[in-house]
Amino acid sequence: QAVVTQEPSFSVSPGGTVTLTCGLSSGSVSTSYHPSWYQQTPGQAPRTLIYSTNTRSSGVPDRFSGSILGNKAALTITGAQADDESDYYCVLYMGSGISLFGGGTKVTVL
Amino acid sequence: EVQLLESGGGLVQPGGSLRLSCAASGFTFSSYAMSWVRQAPGKGLEWVSVISDSGGSTYYADSVKGRFTISRDNPKNTLYLQMNSLRVEDTAVYYCAKAPSRALTGNEYWGQGALVTVSS
Repeated sequence: QAVVTQEPSFSVSPGGTVTLTCGLSSGSVSTSYHPSWYQQTPGQAPRTLIYSTNTRSSGVPDRFSGSILGNKAALTITGAQADDESDYYCVLYMGSGISLFGGGTKVTVL
Repeated sequence: EVQLLESGGGLVQPGGSLRLSCAASGFTFSSYAMSWVRQAPGKGLEWVSVISDSGGSTYYADSVKGRFTISRDNPKNTLYLQMNSLRVEDTAVYYCAKAPSRALTGNEYWGQGALVTVSS
């Protein structure tokens, strides 16, 4: 079965830019996988940032953007702020009703 | 305002059953696919199941197939997850989530979650 891959961790300076990626153990990610991105802080429910590759969810600031970069989905955070320090998860639609989450990326802002 | 409120979580013995409910408000429930996603303690998110807007199509992760059943009551604006033959590894916070559209892809809004603990 396919595995969705994410970087385990990333560090970014306040005001900096970071790009997280979401790949497949075998194959390339395209818009057909409808990649979505979620932010989660400890003890809280996930918050949707991006769905359908690059559509921002309601209320999400435009410093969060989604795209396809090469053979992966990507989430870019520009102008990182302290409260961006969270876990970030991507999910890919594998077809036939099935979705798969990546293992998540822990982002530290320091 | 979209609101999703899960209920029905609790402590159950291995092999037991539990039914989760998710009461939805603030949107036209019958127009959107709905999902369940879970998170074991200290672990990442795991997709569990999705149901189409009409309830006519349902899909499951391999880890729960044959044991869990997703359903919905559109007139009551409520999503359900019937969990049978529960295992210790099913212990998790279960979130219900609303899709952005009728499509079975992605989640837009999330509930606060219901904790299910499977233990003897």
